[in-house]
Amino acid sequence: DQQVKQNSPSLSVQEGRISILNCDYTNSMFDYFLWYKKYPAEGPTFLISISSIKDKNEDGRFTVFLNKSAKHLSLHIVPSQPGDSAVYFCAASVRQGAQKLVFGQGTRLTINP
Amino acid sequence: NAGVMQNPRHLVRRRGQEARLRCSPMKGHSHVYWYRQLPEEGLKFMVYLQKENIIDESGMPKERFSAEFPKEGPSILRIQQVVRGDSAAYFCASSPELAGITYEQFFGPGTRLTVL
Repeated sequence: DQQVKQNSPSLSVQEGRISILNCDYTNSMFDYFLWYKKYPAEGPTFLISISSIKDKNEDGRFTVFLNKSAKHLSLHIVPSQPGDSAVYFCAASVRQGAQKLVFGQGTRLTINP
Repeated sequence: NAGVMQNPRHLVRRRGQEARLRCSPMKGHSHVYWYRQLPEEGLKFMVYLQKENIIDESGMPKERFSAEFPKEGPSILRIQQVVRGDSAAYFCASSPELAGITYEQFFGPGTRLTVL
């Protein structure tokens, strides 16, 4: 039962353009969503999060959009840089109380020069 | 200000042996989580602990796996009688307690377990 899904295993984007990574969830109890970036042989690094009371959160080149009615979120990276090449995981949890994260399968982003 | 520390980084065991994975959370963090990542998959939650307490072990296999977070010292994930299917990357994460509100979890570098 995959509660968080990232349907694109990989994405290739030209340097300087926008990267859009997508994530869908099925559990309506989730109210806190996070994006993590992971390089090979390292642990995931937190990027950005959003609470369900918002529909957008921005931090520098990274913006996360949340569409609750569609149970869909996306991460926009603009402009994309070569150092952004990594695997990106979206994760969801129930905010109240420290709760486990449910992860998607990940999307491998490659930024081409 | 050290991040989450995990050791060993790589661990090789033969079938039937025991594996012990250690995790020291970030300073000031009282919540510890263990996740497992199989090849080409996302991270799967295993167990959530606070000092001396297991809060949620719903993701942990019922047999051979155990976890603890003692009052002093690191959190330990123990796998007894390892099998080839236990080969994976095991990540520990920690978070602070902030008035009972979920906070982002900070991950360690992981322990890569290989079972021969």
